[in-house]
Amino acid sequence: NAGVMQNPRHLVRRRGQEARLRCSPMKGHSHVYWYRQLPEEGLKFMVYLQKENSIDESGMPKERFSAEFPKEGPSILRIQQVVRGDSAAYFCASSTLPARLTTSYEQYFGPGTRLTVT
Amino acid sequence: TQLLEQSPQFLSIQEGENLTVYCNSSSVFSSLQWYRQEPGEGPVLLVTVVTGGEVKKLKRLTFQFGDARKDSSLHITAAQPGDTGLYLCAGVLNDSWGKLQFGAGTQVVVTP
Repeated sequence: NAGVMQNPRHLVRRRGQEARLRCSPMKGHSHVYWYRQLPEEGLKFMVYLQKENSIDESGMPKERFSAEFPKEGPSILRIQQVVRGDSAAYFCASSTLPARLTTSYEQYFGPGTRLTVT
Repeated sequence: TQLLEQSPQFLSIQEGENLTVYCNSSSVFSSLQWYRQEPGEGPVLLVTVVTGGEVKKLKRLTFQFGDARKDSSLHITAAQPGDTGLYLCAGVLNDSWGKLQFGAGTQVVVTP
């Protein structure tokens, strides 16, 4: 049962370092969403990607954060010069259909990466 | 502020009792999903509802989507300890590229 894979599961970074979070979608899925879950808060949308194309970045902080989903390989969420406020659980979800072609929309989530900034 | 308000925030019941979790909004959603999340894990999709007034059943779980597609409920019959977890509702707004708007969640604890 090859679900959504994320690695690493836990990542510790010191302030100012870079964090790279990887997400491999389910087989056959070509659409990836990233969400962030801050302590004591709900899941918040960050970005929606198709292969080689960023569709909606409205939830991404304007600075230090970037995301990509190349033609080959996993989707990467990159956080430069991390700060303590970036400590959170980062989840990716994948889907098989473009969002606008279906109203019966379903996303499947990975286990998440817990980022701790010291 | 959350677009989707879930209530209650916390629910503790005895095994065999029934419970209902509510998810309300002033916005209209094209679809709404319910997830369950265990500590340290990602949300697991339970059900998707699309049509106003729709009712779906998954064993002892019954999901309902409001007629106006602004609210939903999850009802668990004869709860078991295995039903313990964080229940999340998440909706998709029209023309939003499918991004999910999550409620804050309801923590359910079922004790033997």
